[in-house]
Amino acid sequence: GENVEQHPSTLSVQEGDSAVIKCTYSDSASNYFPWYKQELGKRPQLIIDIRSNVGEKKDQRIAVTLNKTAKHFSLHITETQPEDSAVYFCAADNNNDMRFGAGTRLTVKP
Amino acid sequence: GAGVSQSPSNKVTEKGKDVELRCDPISGHTALYWYRQSLGQGLEFLIYFQGNSAPDKSGLPSDRFSAERTGGSVSTLTIQRTQQEDSAVYLCASSFSYGNEQFFGPGTRLTVL
Repeated sequence: GENVEQHPSTLSVQEGDSAVIKCTYSDSASNYFPWYKQELGKRPQLIIDIRSNVGEKKDQRIAVTLNKTAKHFSLHITETQPEDSAVYFCAADNNNDMRFGAGTRLTVKP
Repeated sequence: GAGVSQSPSNKVTEKGKDVELRCDPISGHTALYWYRQSLGQGLEFLIYFQGNSAPDKSGLPSDRFSAERTGGSVSTLTIQRTQQEDSAVYLCASSFSYGNEQFFGPGTRLTVL
């Protein structure tokens, strides 16, 4: 089955700096890679996703890159703001199930 | 429009009792997913439905767990003979079809004493 690893587990940045979270997956059949943001006590919400036929996708301050050969994908947040503070989860979907990474707790210090 | 709803929001039960958790997906969403999230942990995939069918049940933690979906809408997750390690938040999500954006419900916090 699929196995997703996510790093780092915690990340602290200064407001305005960039944040990068990396994930690797094991199943080459995985073709859909969403990223979720979960604020304290709230449900996860999709912030960006990428499919395996695309190498990069950007939405304002958020971008995701995918390297299918190396089986890794990354989330990039630029110009971070305090409201970006949350736990971020990556996931990989192999058409059979969705496996999540363990999460990254991002803290943006004002 | 209405999002995904789950009930109850909180459930406290005694070890050995059965519990039933309910999920109402967004109307028109054919895919429905169940996850478990232990305190401060990641999301553990349990099972998904496409329509009323669950293609793969291997994510369920043990044979005490079962799920069903009828009428292509409401789903129930049943845990029999609950154990303390079953304590977690159980999240349900739905999507228009499998592989599309998932919308999560607020979760059911299960505490097994």
